[in-house]
Amino acid sequence: QQPVQSPQAVILREGEDAVINCSSSKALYSVHWYRQKHGEAPVFLMILLKGGEQKGHEKISASFNEKKQQSSLYLTASQLSYSGTYFCGTEGADDYKLSFGAGTTVTVRA
Amino acid sequence: DADVTQTPRNRITKTGKRIMLECSQTKGHDRMYWYRQDPGLGLRLIYYSFDVKDINKGEISDGYSVSRQAQAKFSLSLESAIPNQTALYFCATSDSTSGREADTQYFGPGTRLTVL
Repeated sequence: QQPVQSPQAVILREGEDAVINCSSSKALYSVHWYRQKHGEAPVFLMILLKGGEQKGHEKISASFNEKKQQSSLYLTASQLSYSGTYFCGTEGADDYKLSFGAGTTVTVRA
Repeated sequence: DADVTQTPRNRITKTGKRIMLECSQTKGHDRMYWYRQDPGLGLRLIYYSFDVKDINKGEISDGYSVSRQAQAKFSLSLESAIPNQTALYFCATSDSTSGREADTQYFGPGTRLTVL
């Protein structure tokens, strides 16, 4: 079962903030976040494990609420380089593989 | 040199043809995966392999088969290609030392397949 991401797309001006949400219908062990630039392969951003931890990558951070089976990715003070499609990948508590969401396309404009 | 390579990078074929997509990695990872990407659907898992003797179906394995020839090589075959298999295909690897899929997946550059 694929996790549900929202919004599908977001347009930002440089310096603005955005939040991308990822929601699953099953109990989760971990959530992964990847970013894909147009025409390129997805690239790992961060992993969040069960336990409600937060992580950061430059000015991109994420949280994981295992009780709600949700994760959020926070883009702070966005830069042009943040443009791309962001995917969450979830691993169920009883799974040993990732299911990816449909992606959120982020466009950052000058 | 890239750690995860895929060949070919682009392929156009006709309905009914047999196609093989190849993936090689120099990362020494034991786990390998094949995904397909379609617009608006994200990445969907076709097959995955946790070691040479372990092959598992993903969520969309119908119409596909795989072969894990060695730790470093994982091939995806379309026995009789059909137009709705037109997509971008990615191979990925991971090295899960914890026994759970909690480690980074490293993706190859992708193969764009068009079935006419």
